[in-house]
Amino acid sequence: NAGVTQTPKFRVLKTGQSMTLLCAQDMNHEYMYWYRQDPGMGLRLIHYSVGEGTTAKGEVPDGYNVSRLKKQNFLLGLESAAPSQTSVYFCASRSTGSTEAFFGQGTRLTVV
Amino acid sequence: GESVGLHLPTLSVQEGDNSIINCAYSNSASDYFIWYKQESGKGPQFIIDIRSNMDKRQGQRVTVLLNKTVKHLSLQIAATQPGDSAVYFCAERADSSYKLIFGSGTRLLVRP
Repeated sequence: NAGVTQTPKFRVLKTGQSMTLLCAQDMNHEYMYWYRQDPGMGLRLIHYSVGEGTTAKGEVPDGYNVSRLKKQNFLLGLESAAPSQTSVYFCASRSTGSTEAFFGQGTRLTVV
Repeated sequence: GESVGLHLPTLSVQEGDNSIINCAYSNSASDYFIWYKQESGKGPQFIIDIRSNMDKRQGQRVTVLLNKTVKHLSLQIAATQPGDSAVYFCAERADSSYKLIFGSGTRLLVRP
């Protein structure tokens, strides 16, 4: 039982490049989330999903897109990376009715 | 917009003492308030939650207090240990929106 797995763990992008971050969970959770965490800051919600095929905007959605084609996977895309998107990205999942979200180990993204 | 925030960015305590971490919230519609712990280089980990219709909830060495009158949440850690050194986040769950919104965090440093 791996929990929540994020791929990749580290990435350096040039401004304007695109990439996709993958989050996979094996707990059959309905809800999945993408957060970003800047140095010394809290977690800000980018997008979330309440089930397969559904997504919704969080607090800071601009510049990101997401897809939830399979229940166990939640993808975060950056179409044209900007230095302001340099951050640590965390994926989380939780089951219906629970407040306990399980987090991945994070993806450290640097945009130069 | 409505948000969850914290009073103190850093708290330093002596090993063995009790720690109190505070949080102010503004969204009265949230049905649960939650505390997470984040160790360096890791994703946040669930500690304890409290439903909005409760005033106090105890766990193992931790107690969460909710004061709805002043919209204040606190986490008390008894007999603080070096392993408690981490950043602590309060979060809120608005059941109708499925979102988990985090505050900015407090760093707890335990002195030996």
